[in-house]
Amino acid sequence: GAVVSQHPSWVICKSGTSVKIECRSLDFQATTMFWYRQFPKQSLMLMATSNEGSKATYEQGVEKDKFLINHASLTLSTLTVTSAHPEDSSFYICSATSRASRGAVGDTQYFGPGTRLTVL
Amino acid sequence: GQNIDQPTEMTATEGAIVQINCTYQTSGFNGLFWYQQHAGEAPTFLSYNVLDGLEEKGRFSSFLSRSKGYSYLLLKELQMKDSASYLCAVRDQRGSYIPTFGRGTSLIVHP
Repeated sequence: GAVVSQHPSWVICKSGTSVKIECRSLDFQATTMFWYRQFPKQSLMLMATSNEGSKATYEQGVEKDKFLINHASLTLSTLTVTSAHPEDSSFYICSATSRASRGAVGDTQYFGPGTRLTVL
Repeated sequence: GQNIDQPTEMTATEGAIVQINCTYQTSGFNGLFWYQQHAGEAPTFLSYNVLDGLEEKGRFSSFLSRSKGYSYLLLKELQMKDSASYLCAVRDQRGSYIPTFGRGTSLIVHP
């Protein structure tokens, strides 16, 4: 099956610093990748959708200047949390699909293992 | 968007059968997913339903009724490792193929 990796799996940083999280599709070309945030006992909240070679589409309420997303290749997307603050502490999960056509039935999202971010 | 409702928590006994329900409201249904998520880990895909009926896959089955806006995930022969959160996710047709996730149902399996 399709494998998606994330790095790092966990990170602790000081308030005000920036943190970069990588998401890679290991055995398929991911034309579309998604970034989610999940707080304890809460659902997955979609932050943004990124298509390879184009700007990410952010969900309402997500600051694009704070959460920088780059999808430079068909196998790599990065999320950079700039000037992180304690309220940004969360579980960040990426997922990927291998097709980008809208409304495509049956497209399955394959999730990475997640990155636990703790901002002190 | 979609209103997705699942029970918050369920408990069951090892070896038993448990049914996790999911109801949803959407303007244009385009598929329902079930995912399993263990604590501190990312979700893993379990099933996908787009037509009415039951989809069986080993110990897990998923049912869909589009007219009722209702789905359930059925887990048979429960094992301790089935203790996890089960997420229902619904996709609509409003130009987006990205599903919206429910809050998840935390299933606790005890001996």
